[in-house]
Amino acid sequence: TQLLEQSPQFLSIQEGENLTVYCNSSSVFSSLQWYRQEPGEGPVLLVTVVTGGEVKKLKRLTFQFGDARKDSSLHITAAQPGDTGLYLCAGRANAGGTSYGKLTFGQGTILTVHP
Amino acid sequence: SQTIHQWPATLVQPVGSPLSLECTVEGTSNPNLYWYRQAAGRGLQLLFYSVGIGQISSEVPQNLSASRPQDRQFILSSKKLLLSDSGFYLCAWGRDGLSPQHFGDGTRLSIL
Repeated sequence: TQLLEQSPQFLSIQEGENLTVYCNSSSVFSSLQWYRQEPGEGPVLLVTVVTGGEVKKLKRLTFQFGDARKDSSLHITAAQPGDTGLYLCAGRANAGGTSYGKLTFGQGTILTVHP
Repeated sequence: SQTIHQWPATLVQPVGSPLSLECTVEGTSNPNLYWYRQAAGRGLQLLFYSVGIGQISSEVPQNLSASRPQDRQFILSSKKLLLSDSGFYLCAWGRDGLSPQHFGDGTRLSIL
C-alpha cells in the first residue's frame, strides 16, 4: 500500500508571508498532482508533475517533484486571503497491473491566510 | 469542454434506508470514473473505479456498491445505510489511467 505523508496538517499565516507544504512517501510515483479544495466543493487540479526534479510555477505557487519521485513540495510566495483552502497532494502509482490510474491522496493541509 | 455533474448536493437519510447517488460526465467518451469518500475535509479514500461500462473495481470492503450502466454515468448505491456511511462523496473522471482526475462538487450525505 502506498502512503503519502502531507505536512503540516494546519497552517495559519498572515497575508504576505511565504509557506511550504510537503508530501513525502517511501514509494515511487509516476506522477504527482496538487489540488486545492474549498468547503462544499470538489478538489480543483492545480498542477501535475511527472519528471524527477521538475519544477512548475503557477503565478505565486511553485511546485517541485523530488529527484527520486518520492516527494513533492508546494511553495506559496506572498500568500493572500484568496489562497485559503485545503491543499491536497495525490500520487499516481506506475501504470499497469492493478494500480492503473489510481491516486493515493495525502491527508491535506488546511491553509488559512489572515488579512 | 468536459463537465462532471453530481447530485444531489446534500442528502439526509435515515439509517437503514437505500441510497443512490448519481454522477454524469459530458464532453468525453469512455472515461475512467471514480468514487471517493472524504472525511471532515481531509484526504480522499478511493471507493470504486471503473474503466468501462459494467466494469467496477472495489477498493475497500464496505456497505456500498457502484454501477456503470452507461458510458458516462456512474452510480453509488446502498441497500441499507449505516451511520458510518455519513460523509462527503466525490465523483471524478479521467481521460484514461494516466491523465489527471477532475472532480465533481460532491454530495454531503448525513445519516440520522
